[in-house]
Amino acid sequence: SQKIEQNSEALNIQEGKTATLTCNYTNYSPAYLQWYRQDPGRGPVFLLLIRENEKEKRKERLKVTFDTTLKQSLFHITASQPADSATYLCALGPWGSARQLTFGSGTQLTVLP
Amino acid sequence: DGGITQSPKYLFRKEGQNVTLSCEQNLNHDAMYWYRQDPGQGLRLIYYSQIVNDFQKGDIAEGYSVSREKKESFPLTVTSAQKNPTAFYLCASSKGLGADTQYFGPGTRLTVL
Repeated sequence: SQKIEQNSEALNIQEGKTATLTCNYTNYSPAYLQWYRQDPGRGPVFLLLIRENEKEKRKERLKVTFDTTLKQSLFHITASQPADSATYLCALGPWGSARQLTFGSGTQLTVLP
Repeated sequence: DGGITQSPKYLFRKEGQNVTLSCEQNLNHDAMYWYRQDPGQGLRLIYYSQIVNDFQKGDIAEGYSVSREKKESFPLTVTSAQKNPTAFYLCASSKGLGADTQYFGPGTRLTVL
């Protein structure tokens, strides 16, 4: 069955450092991958989308890579700030006949001042 | 002010009662979705709809029902058949299925007493 794994533990980093979050998947051949940010008690907010034929995507302090051979995406936040503290979700799709997204369980990031 | 709204934010239900969660969007999106989120878990798809008067089961549709009579509205009914309904419910919309970004509502936290 398809499986998506994000960093199994919460990630704590010091302000100003680069945070790197991992999204690994198995039994998938997704055409694209999305990253969302979710604050406690709120709905996720879209951050970035990367397609299977793209290696890297950037948006301000955010960078996403997508390695379809390793079946892995890395999400980087450079010059991290306490305001970046949140849960980050990766989502894959489509795959096979399914045209909807499948979400990972998320990684909780805390940026310490 | 465009967006997606859910009501109520908090909902309490007695065992054996059906309850309906509201979701409205004014983004003119064709596709709408319902997800369930449990603590420490990712979003699980309950139902989705690509167009009016059509909807499809997601991964965990048992014990839930939906309707899509209007483009802007996609209410979810949690029936008494749902064995463990206490969760955070999120509604989302997108222009279409596939790679389109999903826009989420603020969520409804349902607690069964």
